[in-house]
Amino acid sequence: KNQVEQSPQSLIILEGKNCTLQCNYTVSPFSNLRWYKQDTGRGPVSLTIMTFSENTKSNGRYTATLDADTKQSSLHITASQLSDSASYICVVSARQAGTALIFGKGTTLSVSS
Amino acid sequence: GAGVSQSPSNKVTEKGKDVELRCDPISGHTALYWYRQRLGQGLEFLIYFQGNSAPDKSGLPSDRFSAERTGESVSTLTIQRTQQEDSAVYLCASSLYGTGLMNEQFFGPGTRLTVL
Repeated sequence: KNQVEQSPQSLIILEGKNCTLQCNYTVSPFSNLRWYKQDTGRGPVSLTIMTFSENTKSNGRYTATLDADTKQSSLHITASQLSDSASYICVVSARQAGTALIFGKGTTLSVSS
Repeated sequence: GAGVSQSPSNKVTEKGKDVELRCDPISGHTALYWYRQRLGQGLEFLIYFQGNSAPDKSGLPSDRFSAERTGESVSTLTIQRTQQEDSAVYLCASSLYGTGLMNEQFFGPGTRLTVL
């Protein structure tokens, strides 16, 4: 069964600190993996998209890594800001699944001052 | 418009009533998607429209759910005889083309549906 598991479920950190969110997946055959940020009451916004051959991709203070062998991805946030408080969702696409994007349940990050 | 818009933002209805949710995609986007997000759960795919092709309805949970799209513009998601388990946020997304490898989906703010 195609699944995407994220950890931790929630996380609280102090402003300025770094953090890493994890995503494990069992989707096969793998096509690409995306990280989205979803602010409360808003729709998800794409942060990064990675294919099988990409190991790392950065978007400002966000850096995503992908290990297609172990089927794991991480999202590292550097020098966190209050505005980083949101849900971070890992989404995996199977190669021939067409429209089927498999969504994780997300990690809720709270950044406090 | 500048982004995907959805209306209403919130909808409260009584069990058994029908509801219609509206999505206006980004102008020029040929693909449109509907998702459901229950509290504490990940997004669930419902239906996908691409140009004039037959829609992919594989995610619709029951025949009480249906959706239409007028050309490459507005879409409505209809839920008939609503049940309490239909309570969720319904998200719409659009993309420039279809489900190509890297085609990015842009999401609307969602409609929060509460069935009493």
